[in-house]
Amino acid sequence: GAVVSQHPSRVICKSGTSVKIECRSLDFQATTMFWYRQFPKQSLMLMATSNEGSKATYEQGVEKDKFLINHASLTLSTLTVTSAHPEDSSFYICSASPTGPGQYFGPGTRLTVT
Amino acid sequence: RKEVEQDPGPFNVPEGATVAFNCTYSNSASQSFFWYRQDCRKEPKLLMSVYSSGNEDGRFTAQLNRASQYISLLIRDSKLSDSATYLCVVISSNDYKLSFGAGTTVTVRA
Repeated sequence: GAVVSQHPSRVICKSGTSVKIECRSLDFQATTMFWYRQFPKQSLMLMATSNEGSKATYEQGVEKDKFLINHASLTLSTLTVTSAHPEDSSFYICSASPTGPGQYFGPGTRLTVT
Repeated sequence: RKEVEQDPGPFNVPEGATVAFNCTYSNSASQSFFWYRQDCRKEPKLLMSVYSSGNEDGRFTAQLNRASQYISLLIRDSKLSDSATYLCVVISSNDYKLSFGAGTTVTVRA
């Protein structure tokens, strides 16, 4: 099946710093990628839709200036958490699809902000 | 009301047992339905799509009831390796956005 990778898998940063998470589709091109966040024992929540070559579409309640998304190529989308705070600590997962509605997920990035 | 709701469980069952659980969705325009499996601290992985006529994949059977707006997953002959959280996923349009349930936790014991 399709493979989606994420890097880093785990990151610990200090409050106030920025963290960049990469999402790559390894064996297919993805014009659209999705970024999710999952807090412990809660469902995945869609944060934004990343569109190659254009601005991301953010879900209601997600600050676009805090969560910067760049989809510079058909195989790479990045999510930058700017001025991270402890409440941003979460599991961030990206997904993409070569075709159709089924999504393939990256392995996730566990962010801990101290 | 949440768009997708699941019984969180946990369902604790012995090996070899059958376990079944449902997921309800609120948007009658929902078109595509999936079950994903998520292991602790890992990403969700597609388990199976859910078709209108119902479908089976080995020990797993998925059903869709459009009239009552729910989907179900049944696991026969449970294995220890089936222990996981099962996420119900619904897509209501062609924009490929997924709505997730919070998951149903299944624990299979020896």
